Amino acid sequence: GENVEQHPSTLSVQEGDSAVIKCTYSDSASNYFPWYKQELGKGPQLIIDIRSNVGEKKDQRIAVTLNKTAKHFSLHITETQPEDSAVYFCAATPWTGFQKLVFGTGTRLLVSP
Amino acid sequence: DADVTQTPRNRITKTGKRIMLECSQTKGHDRMYWYRQDPGLGLRLIYYSFDVKDINKGEISDGYSVSRQAQAKFSLSLESAIPNQTALYFCATSDPGLDTQYFGPGTRLTVL
Repeated sequence: GENVEQHPSTLSVQEGDSAVIKCTYSDSASNYFPWYKQELGKGPQLIIDIRSNVGEKKDQRIAVTLNKTAKHFSLHITETQPEDSAVYFCAATPWTGFQKLVFGTGTRLLVSP
Repeated sequence: DADVTQTPRNRITKTGKRIMLECSQTKGHDRMYWYRQDPGLGLRLIYYSFDVKDINKGEISDGYSVSRQAQAKFSLSLESAIPNQTALYFCATSDPGLDTQYFGPGTRLTVL
């Protein structure tokens, strides 16, 4: 089955800096890669996703890149703000008509003013 | 009102007790999921349901059971709780053919 590794486990940056979180996956059949943000006391919320037929996707200050050959994908946050502080999870799944997501272990991002 | 609600939000119980966690959704989604979150382990799938009559085991179903009472309600039961079931539990929903899973606020369960 799929296994997803996520690094780093914690990341501290200054406001305005960029942050990068990296994930690797094991199953070459995986073709859908979402990123979820979990704020304190809340459930995870989808912030961006990418399919294997796309190499990069952007949404304002966040972007995701995918390298299928190396089986890794990354979340990039530019111009970080204190409200970006949260735990971020990557996930992967083969799209077989059903999302059986396998999550990474999470990255706690702290953005200091 | 929240689209996916979970009750209770916090629960402390003793080893051996039976406990039920409840999830309700107003999104009209057919698919519902139960996840468990442990520090350093991410979220792991316990059970999932495609509809009221279709329930499937996930990655870590041992020690848990579920009931899909209606399209909008999906309950998770611990028949005889043990301390290593202490965790944060999340319910989620999704629409068939669409990508996003919508999570509830979670239930923090402590088994003493």
